[in-house]
Amino acid sequence: QQQVKQSPQSLIVQKGGISIINCAYENTAFDYFPWYQQFPGKGPALLIAIRPDVSEKKEGRFTISFNKSAKQFSLHIMDSQPGDSATYFCAAKAGSARQLTFGSGTQLTVLP
Amino acid sequence: DGGITQSPKYLFRKEGQNVTLSCEQNLNHDAMYWYRQDPGQGLRLIYYSQIVNDFQKGDIAEGYSVSREKKESFPLTVTSAQKNPTAFYLCASSIRLAGGHYNEQFFGPGTRLTVL
Repeated sequence: QQQVKQSPQSLIVQKGGISIINCAYENTAFDYFPWYQQFPGKGPALLIAIRPDVSEKKEGRFTISFNKSAKQFSLHIMDSQPGDSATYFCAAKAGSARQLTFGSGTQLTVLP
Repeated sequence: DGGITQSPKYLFRKEGQNVTLSCEQNLNHDAMYWYRQDPGQGLRLIYYSQIVNDFQKGDIAEGYSVSREKKESFPLTVTSAQKNPTAFYLCASSIRLAGGHYNEQFFGPGTRLTVL
């Protein structure tokens, strides 16, 4: 029940295309859903986060779409750039829980 | 320049040795965490600490130990009891929000540990 399932494992997109990464969860107590971006050899950095009271949040080219009834959320990267090539992790946390539960990660490659 | 520092960046260990990974933060964050990252897997929590002199086991604590003697420091010791320690280790911290919640975690640059 604590798992967050992330797909796809890897994704290749042409420059200018849309990258879409999906996550699904079971624990209805989750109320905080962040996405992290990680470049090789570096620590993850928070990209964008959403709470279940909104269905979408946009920051620049990055958008989180959230479907509470389906218990799914996704990251959309518009106009994908080679510099976006990285590993992306979704995560979730419930209320006052002390830890994040991470998805398994998606390795994104944006071709020039 | 605020942030989280981890040292060393690369660490090599012989079998049977204990090694200690350093994590320091100057963000004045209350909570600190240690994660292990293996290829193709998400981050798995080893230990976390919300206050000085207190820490809790995460999902994969066996073979690891920690201490939290100072708010800004949370070292991780990988003991010889950890059978497969080769991995990328990440330290993170977060601030305690009103209501006792902890949300955004800030990560350090990581330490890559290799057992020879």
